Amino acid sequence: EIVLTQSPGTLSLSPGERATLSCRASQSVSNYYLAWYQQKSGQAPRLLIYGASRRATGIPDRFSGSGSGTDFTLTISRLEPEDFAVYYCQQYDSSPLTFGGGTRVEIK
Amino acid sequence: QLQLQESGPGLVKPSETLSLTCTVSGGSVISSSYRWGWVRQSPGKGLEWIGCVSFSGSTRDNPSLKSRVTISVDTSRNQFSLQLNSLTAADTAVYYCGRRGYNSDSGFFDFWGQGILVTVSS
Repeated sequence: EIVLTQSPGTLSLSPGERATLSCRASQSVSNYYLAWYQQKSGQAPRLLIYGASRRATGIPDRFSGSGSGTDFTLTISRLEPEDFAVYYCQQYDSSPLTFGGGTRVEIK
Repeated sequence: QLQLQESGPGLVKPSETLSLTCTVSGGSVISSSYRWGWVRQSPGKGLEWIGCVSFSGSTRDNPSLKSRVTISVDTSRNQFSLQLNSLTAADTAVYYCGRRGYNSDSGFFDFWGQGILVTVSS
């Protein structure tokens, strides 16, 4: 099983700042088979990024994904008030599908 | 627009079997492009993949659940279902149904239900 470790656990930033979230895999994730989700309190996760860097339909271009192998990054270039939420990465390279423990982006 | 809606009991007793259904609208479960799956989230915790089913009925599930899982599809009702047996308090969670791509290169969930909270307690 591929274990995903996200860091930091919590990121305290102000609107307009840049957020950089990390997702590290316990073994290489092939073919960029990594996704990112946003989850707000009381809501289902929402797909942001798949294929490590491809934005899902309707996702603003301030969200970008990068990385390969064992190290992946989600960047939010300028935080909007609606971006404060919890973010999860997920690998789909091998079964079982696994998720990271999440990074909470909170208002400073 | 595709919509998924979970239904089932909110409270189940320990050792019993949980049965949840996900009703799909705005699309069909009969598709060679997608699989239909379940993910859960324990209170205050992260996400755990439970398993998936295709329209043909083929399934994959998470070995961590130790064969307690049965996932099935009902194409006539455009629904798919989850059964989880031998429940304990550790199974208390919000259960989400979702759609993922059929192939390994699309194993992410692009549509989700709103989730249903299931509490295991006597």
